[in-house]
Amino acid sequence: TAGITQAPTSQILAAGRSMTLRCTQDMRHNAMYWYRQDLGLGLRLIHYSNTAGTTGKGEVPDGYSVSRANTDDFPLTLASAVPSQTSVYFCASSAYGGAGGNEQFFGPGTRLTVL
Amino acid sequence: AQSVTQLDSQVPVFEEAPVELRCNYSSSVSVYLFWYVQYPNQGLQLLLKYLSGSTLVESINGFEAEFNKSQTSFHLRKPSVHISDTAEYFCAVTTYSSASKIIFGSGTRLSIRP
Repeated sequence: TAGITQAPTSQILAAGRSMTLRCTQDMRHNAMYWYRQDLGLGLRLIHYSNTAGTTGKGEVPDGYSVSRANTDDFPLTLASAVPSQTSVYFCASSAYGGAGGNEQFFGPGTRLTVL
Repeated sequence: AQSVTQLDSQVPVFEEAPVELRCNYSSSVSVYLFWYVQYPNQGLQLLLKYLSGSTLVESINGFEAEFNKSQTSFHLRKPSVHISDTAEYFCAVTTYSSASKIIFGSGTRLSIRP
């Protein structure tokens, strides 16, 4: 079972350009999440979706947008990248949102460098 | 709102020595607590979790953590570490009504010396 796949694995992006990070899960999980991981800051939630068709803002949503057209896919878009968005981005999913004990499953990450 | 503090950013230990990674949380309501592990160049994996019941929880690879409500702690311990335990460990907290906003600590990097 693939679990969660993310693409690309890494990317170097010029400031001001747009980019979409892709995330697909095959576990039929209802909830999906996007985090960024920065040294010394741990993981910070960018956006989440409790079910297909709904999305919500996390701790650091500015400069990012998401959509959830179906259960499996949860793309993250940077409309106009800035250097402060240089980070490692992780997609995650859980069976349900809104019920605290659910384990989150993580993808392998996308390393993004904005120059 | 809840928060998590991991007191040590790095913990170096010798192989076969015991280790404790510290985690403290704050919350005004009941919490669920997690430890996740991140091996080099990988995503996070759940190591163990406390939801309710016994305050001592164990993982399949010898780690254990004890929920201490009075001290608001959830420290992770292993009596004898192996080189393969080299990784970054994240403590995380959430509550029943805010699972979509699980809060992660800043991580503790465990390095094992032979």
